[in-house]
Amino acid sequence: DAKTTQPPSMDCAEGRAANLPCNHSTISGNEYVYWYRQIHSQGPQYIIHGLKNNETNEMASLIITEDRKSSTLILPHATLRDTAVYYCIVQSNFGNEKLTFGTGTRLTIIP
Amino acid sequence: NAGVTQTPKFQVLKTGQSMTLQCAQDMNHNSMYWYRQDPGMGLRLIYYSASEGTTDKGEVPNGYNVSRLNKREFSLRLESAAPSQTSVYFCASSGHVPFSIFQEPQHFGDGTRLSIL
Repeated sequence: DAKTTQPPSMDCAEGRAANLPCNHSTISGNEYVYWYRQIHSQGPQYIIHGLKNNETNEMASLIITEDRKSSTLILPHATLRDTAVYYCIVQSNFGNEKLTFGTGTRLTIIP
Repeated sequence: NAGVTQTPKFQVLKTGQSMTLQCAQDMNHNSMYWYRQDPGMGLRLIYYSASEGTTDKGEVPNGYNVSRLNKREFSLRLESAAPSQTSVYFCASSGHVPFSIFQEPQHFGDGTRLSIL
């Protein structure tokens, strides 16, 4: 059973904010929301993760709803190099949890 | 700062041949993982190793064996390659958040593209 639901594809204009949604209505209390991306068949790259508070780092911001059933990854000023498949993953980071990848959202940045 | 290094980057095999994919990390991570990715799909876990000397099956272990040679290296072996094993193979590693039981995010290599004819 899929733990997350993401739109299969999205477009965003270069320089604009890219907002990628993710639904995770069955998330449990000890599970984090992780975002990875995969650029052109390279290995996945970690972006950001959070439990219940909003998070920001040099790459992106993560907004998690108060009920934790959905989240949004925000790339504030998208560039052509942000074109990639973005994966939203929920998992506990306790012990040795393994990542379960879905099919992600293919984000295309348009010049 | 190499991170996770996989060799080879590309390989073509004939059905029935054997092959070992190598993975090494220089981040002193305890945990290492092998995934496969088929066209248009997400990654699926084959095997993982929580620490040196331990290995466990993931979602799709059939047809594969692994060896955690030491803390740095985790190899994946195909004893008798089959066309269904044509895929891109990714190795990953992760460490523990200091002074806790929690895992840090995984770091991935650039993959080995394996074709079996």
